[in-house]
Amino acid sequence: EAGVAQSPRYKIIEKRQSVAFWCNPISGHATLYWYQQILGQGPKLLIQFQNNGVVDDSQLPKDRFSAERLKGVDSTLKIQPAKLEDSAVYLCASRPAGIGGAITAGELFFGEGSRLTVL
Amino acid sequence: GEDVEQSLFLSVREGDSSVINCTYTDSSSTYLYWYKQEPGAGLQLLTYIFSNMDMKQDQRLTVLLNKKDKHLSLRIADTQTGDSAIYFCAANYGGSQGNLIFGKGTKLSVKP
Repeated sequence: EAGVAQSPRYKIIEKRQSVAFWCNPISGHATLYWYQQILGQGPKLLIQFQNNGVVDDSQLPKDRFSAERLKGVDSTLKIQPAKLEDSAVYLCASRPAGIGGAITAGELFFGEGSRLTVL
Repeated sequence: GEDVEQSLFLSVREGDSSVINCTYTDSSSTYLYWYKQEPGAGLQLLTYIFSNMDMKQDQRLTVLLNKKDKHLSLRIADTQTGDSAIYFCAANYGGSQGNLIFGKGTKLSVKP
């Protein structure tokens, strides 16, 4: 079974430029997450999708970050314009839907991440 | 708000046991997780425990949960150099499926 695919693996841009990251979750996984992991810290949730709808984007800096999941499969995360503090690894994760929306112990499957450096 | 805390570094000798500790604040957390991250890789689930359990054992891994104190620990028996990595404690919160708060990670160094 193929894992969560992310691209690009590395990206270096200057501040105020824009960047986009792509994620292809595991086939059949209804729920998709974007996490931001700043060096030395744990991942922080940016946005959660259930199929193609947004479930939680409360921690997404909406003035510069946007994300979409058209057709409920692939997702893109965009940053425009980038700031120095956006330097981080952007992790995509997916999991299958729980039965009836119940909380399950279902594992989140993470991609290898996209490392962004903003100069 | 919700928080998960863990010590940042742990160094052990090969063959010894490693114990990584974690505290969390959200008493409604249903599941607590341990993830492992090797350099340049994504996070990999090691094990998890349901909040109504005190202990879970899985081969060399033992998870202990003290729900009263909101304290979670991961014990790795017979630690090997291949266990060197960053270990993240995580708790689900808010009743939402799969929203996890992660600690900052404990970097485990195993010396031969």
